[in-house]
Amino acid sequence: DAGITQSPRHKVTETGTPVTLRCHQTENHRYMYWYRQDPGHGLRLIHYSYGVKDTDKGEVSDGYSVSRSKTEDFLLTLESATSSQTSVYFCAIREYSNQPQHFGDGTRLSIL
Amino acid sequence: TQLLEQSPQFLSIQEGENLTVYCNSSSVFSSLQWYRQEPGEGPVLLVTVVTGGEVKKLKRLTFQFGDARKDSSLHITAAQPGDTGLYLCAGVVNAGNNRKLIWGLGTSLGVNP
Repeated sequence: DAGITQSPRHKVTETGTPVTLRCHQTENHRYMYWYRQDPGHGLRLIHYSYGVKDTDKGEVSDGYSVSRSKTEDFLLTLESATSSQTSVYFCAIREYSNQPQHFGDGTRLSIL
Repeated sequence: TQLLEQSPQFLSIQEGENLTVYCNSSSVFSSLQWYRQEPGEGPVLLVTVVTGGEVKKLKRLTFQFGDARKDSSLHITAAQPGDTGLYLCAGVVNAGNNRKLIWGLGTSLGVNP
């Protein structure tokens, strides 16, 4: 299995609080991705990174920011969480652009 | 907006039955990937099909890529309870210096013993 660790695995928080999710990889892969998965919507890309300090928006980036200061870590931040951001968040990594993605086991985030 | 329609959305069958899952789009893909996801885990790649008309087999699973590279199917022969899970297809399109994935919504398969 690809060395991807997401933390925390579960989190419950209140509306308006900041939340940071971490994705850590041991594969030294160039590309890293953050997705959210919701019933009826499937997997939707939030942000992705194609190198240290190189990030770009996905299809549902509003309300989210990311940072990648090291190859191995990709952080997803909800500056002021809303109930609509309750979801399961997945990190994925990819070595080259023509290779498939490998996923972490997800973070279940509930915002009350 | 590029869409990848996956059907059926839900499927509940008895052990030993055969089934087919479909992914259809009006877009042409450079390749198409199939993933399987179990509860509490991330999707895991099963196969990538690249050439129009390509057929790949993985034990009891047969994957086919349409001749025009717009659609794909996954056929499972003699399904077993261990096949239970969410099956996802993802079409690959070229987008500048990155390759973009277009995801289907998934087929939730339950195989009853």
